[in-house]
Amino acid sequence: DVKVTQSSRYLVKRTGEKVFLECVQDMDHENMFWYRQDPGLGLRLIYFSYDVKMKEKGDIPEGYSVSREKKERFSLILESASTNQTSMYLCASSYPSQTSGGTSSYNEQFFGPGTRLTVL
Amino acid sequence: AQKVTQAQTEISVVEKEDVTLDCVYETRDTTYYLFWYKQPPSGELVFLIRRNSFDEQNEISGRYSWNFQKSTSSFNFTITASQVVDSAVYFCALSEAPGRDDKIIFGKGTRLHILP
Repeated sequence: DVKVTQSSRYLVKRTGEKVFLECVQDMDHENMFWYRQDPGLGLRLIYFSYDVKMKEKGDIPEGYSVSREKKERFSLILESASTNQTSMYLCASSYPSQTSGGTSSYNEQFFGPGTRLTVL
Repeated sequence: AQKVTQAQTEISVVEKEDVTLDCVYETRDTTYYLFWYKQPPSGELVFLIRRNSFDEQNEISGRYSWNFQKSTSSFNFTITASQVVDSAVYFCALSEAPGRDDKIIFGKGTRLHILP
């Protein structure tokens, strides 16, 4: 079974603190993603990475950075936490999509259990 | 631009009733993928189905079925004889032609309550 784990289920931090959210996957997936989930807004992509040391901004990267030093680990960093970053954070991983002989296949993302972060 | 709309924010049905969750998508690509995910109260999103744009066959898996209609850009999900364990938030999602950018766009989700 694919396993995506996140370092904490619940986290409480104070405004201005530096926060690290860790995500580890055990299926040798190239792609890893960080989302935040807020009521009424669904899932929004913060950053993603398709290889070690590679990263790309998603839809809402402001206030966040990421690190991918090893293939299995993708960290989300809040340099200076603010109250508007209180949210549920979800990590996901997947194999890259493939195109062969004119046919493409897209691989589903596997999600971790989420980290509910509260910034006071 | 790609977009996924789940117009039903919240639905409540009594156990054993059938329920359909709507999903309408927008894309300019001819090659794309559609997904449904389930998020139970535990929080972890669970993959349910993937469908590519060239395969309009409806799919049935036990009590779950999916109706993909390109003519109306819809990919609806029906649960037959619903059970309390089906209570969850369900997300429809879209990914355009695969490439370096393997992103998925999610709808805002439909919260489904199955009442005993």
